[in-house]
Amino acid sequence: QSVLTQPPSLSAAPGQKATISCSGTTSNIGNNSVSWYQHVPGTAPKLLIFDDNQRPSGIPDRFSGSKSGTSATLGITGLQTGDEADYYCETWDGSLNAGVFGGGTKLTVL
Amino acid sequence: QVQLQQWGAGLLKSSETLSLTCAVYGVPLSGYYWSWIRQPPGKGLEWIGEISHTGSTKYNPSLKSRVTISVDTSKNQFSLKVSSVTAADTAVYYCARGRMGVAVADGVPTKTYFFDFWGQGTLVTVSS
Repeated sequence: QSVLTQPPSLSAAPGQKATISCSGTTSNIGNNSVSWYQHVPGTAPKLLIFDDNQRPSGIPDRFSGSKSGTSATLGITGLQTGDEADYYCETWDGSLNAGVFGGGTKLTVL
Repeated sequence: QVQLQQWGAGLLKSSETLSLTCAVYGVPLSGYYWSWIRQPPGKGLEWIGEISHTGSTKYNPSLKSRVTISVDTSKNQFSLKVSSVTAADTAVYYCARGRMGVAVADGVPTKTYFFDFWGQGTLVTVSS
């Protein structure tokens, strides 16, 4: 069982918006920044968001991140079939003194 | 251009030691935290541990007793060893560059920790 909690799956239509939640505690999300990754099976995960809401160079502004208290959210607007992937949140856990990931959310665009 | 290239044995028997190496190109090891992350079949990502260029390490508490991460600054490489493997260690293993620092959100400093470059992944299968 993962330290951070994400919904296992999510479906949305092309062109619509998807919102993926990530819930934690004061030991992790509540006091540390969150990052988000897109993972297509068979390839390396890709960093989408860091420091809660910052996008690396080359990541389109269709991807956004936010955080409130002990929960974080990834938003994807203008969904495309190419956005189908697994999405993971990640942060540092001060109690475990370790990096922690969410269980992942499988996004289906149909 | 930062690139991470990893290699190691892909098929092991129970009780053997898993050994993987990751070579870093385009950037020195200093200033970053070099990490190993794995994904068992059908499961999510799991952080294994990290090492700095000085050799300072942190490990996942659930794996700490069996994991060793080392660094070779002369070759710009770092390595992972997992002892006494079982079928539960079957996974795709990734090396990654970790960034750790302090971010300021609404005037409040928070710890930032993320992975911006990843290796291609190595499937390690443990048979009984």
